[in-house]
Amino acid sequence: DAMVIQNPRYQVTQFGKPVTLSCSQTLNHNVMYWYQQKSSQAPKLLFHYYDKDFNNEADTPDNFQSRRPNTSFCFLDIRSPGLGDTAMYLCATSTLLEGSGSYNEQFFGPGTRLTVL
Amino acid sequence: AQTVTQSQPEMSVQEAETVTLSCTYDTSESDYYLFWYKQPPSRQMILVIRQEAYKQQNATENRFSVNFQKAAKSFSLKISDSQLGDAAMYFCAYRPSRSGGYQKVTFGIGTKLQVIP
Repeated sequence: DAMVIQNPRYQVTQFGKPVTLSCSQTLNHNVMYWYQQKSSQAPKLLFHYYDKDFNNEADTPDNFQSRRPNTSFCFLDIRSPGLGDTAMYLCATSTLLEGSGSYNEQFFGPGTRLTVL
Repeated sequence: AQTVTQSQPEMSVQEAETVTLSCTYDTSESDYYLFWYKQPPSRQMILVIRQEAYKQQNATENRFSVNFQKAAKSFSLKISDSQLGDAAMYFCAYRPSRSGGYQKVTFGIGTKLQVIP
């Protein structure tokens, strides 16, 4: 089945130690997103890729970076994690809706739960 | 800026009964999409139902239906014949439908639904 896969599902890291989260998709969607979701809060968009075009949200800290080496894979790098970065990180994909220029519904992965100690 | 408000942090329903989850939103746009997403514990978020603002008819998907009141900017989700598998976090979301590029999805903070056997 076509799907969005995230690895690892759970990650524990130490304060200041870089960490990389992985997302892959078999849907062949041209858009990939990273969200941060803290407990009892709405998912917060960090950035997204439209093909290789990177789009950062204005309030995303510089500590968060992303790479998309090909259509299928996208990585979230946290260069120096702080205690406040403990959260669920969600990857999602979508495709450009033909004719309208609007992006279609997003398909989500199961998330990576990151704990910073 | 668009906002999405879910005023019920938690709800519970008896199995086989009906429950309604509330959502209100604020926007100056005339055309947009509204969504309800379901996020079961430790599983990925999935789209439950979608409503296009220009359509007056309320969307329905099997046991799930919405009550869309455009003038009141209200978008509630009704779950009929509730099942144990309906227990999850439910997020209301909004997206403008302007053409010409990426349109950001705004999520509410969610309502946790408990289904009692």
